[in-house]
Amino acid sequence: QKEVEQDPGPLSVPEGAIVSLNCTYSNSAFQYFMWYRQYSRKGPELLMYTYSSGNKEDGRFTAQVDKSSKYISLFIRDSQPSDSATYLCAMIRGQGAQKLVFGQGTRLTINP
Amino acid sequence: DAGVIQSPRHEVTEMGQEVTLRCKPISGHNSLFWYRQTMMRGLELLIYFNNNVPIDDSGMPEDRFSAKMPNASFSTLKIQPSEPRDSAVYFCASSFGVPDTQYFGPGTRLTVL
Repeated sequence: QKEVEQDPGPLSVPEGAIVSLNCTYSNSAFQYFMWYRQYSRKGPELLMYTYSSGNKEDGRFTAQVDKSSKYISLFIRDSQPSDSATYLCAMIRGQGAQKLVFGQGTRLTINP
Repeated sequence: DAGVIQSPRHEVTEMGQEVTLRCKPISGHNSLFWYRQTMMRGLELLIYFNNNVPIDDSGMPEDRFSAKMPNASFSTLKIQPSEPRDSAVYFCASSFGVPDTQYFGPGTRLTVL
């Protein structure tokens, strides 16, 4: 079993829809949770990160972490065609740790 | 800031040849990471350095792979001899501070025929 599970999709939604992307994980030692966005033929770029459980909002993006369920989510409101990309969740065990563990990535397409 | 720089951007080689990928991290960053990305396996960490010292190379698939970081501004990943199953996109990333906010380069797309 992989440490981090993420549905690879693909996921296709109409413009303006709310998108929900999710990951589950098995190791309770993870403390920092990140979402990366990767456009086609580009390197991943950090979108958001959260520490421990809770929510974090940045514009149209909201990241949620539920450590009791070992489940994290990324919500995109008012989705735009420019949001079309692969979204990867990533986790790290804590301060001082440097080894990110990535999910498989979910390929998202927003249709105009 | 120029970001993480990788070269070459594309490499096509024949099985058995030596391949060298290069990375220049962001100035001031003290950690450097090499990843490999494929459709089947996703993004895999191969090795990472902290202050130019290799910390964890457990992801290096086999002895054909080696990585060096002779100074804070340069790293290489070498595959010798290369095999078709090494075909992938290889990313370099660098970071500074905690939590580990890694900044990725554009990647090198390697094709081994």
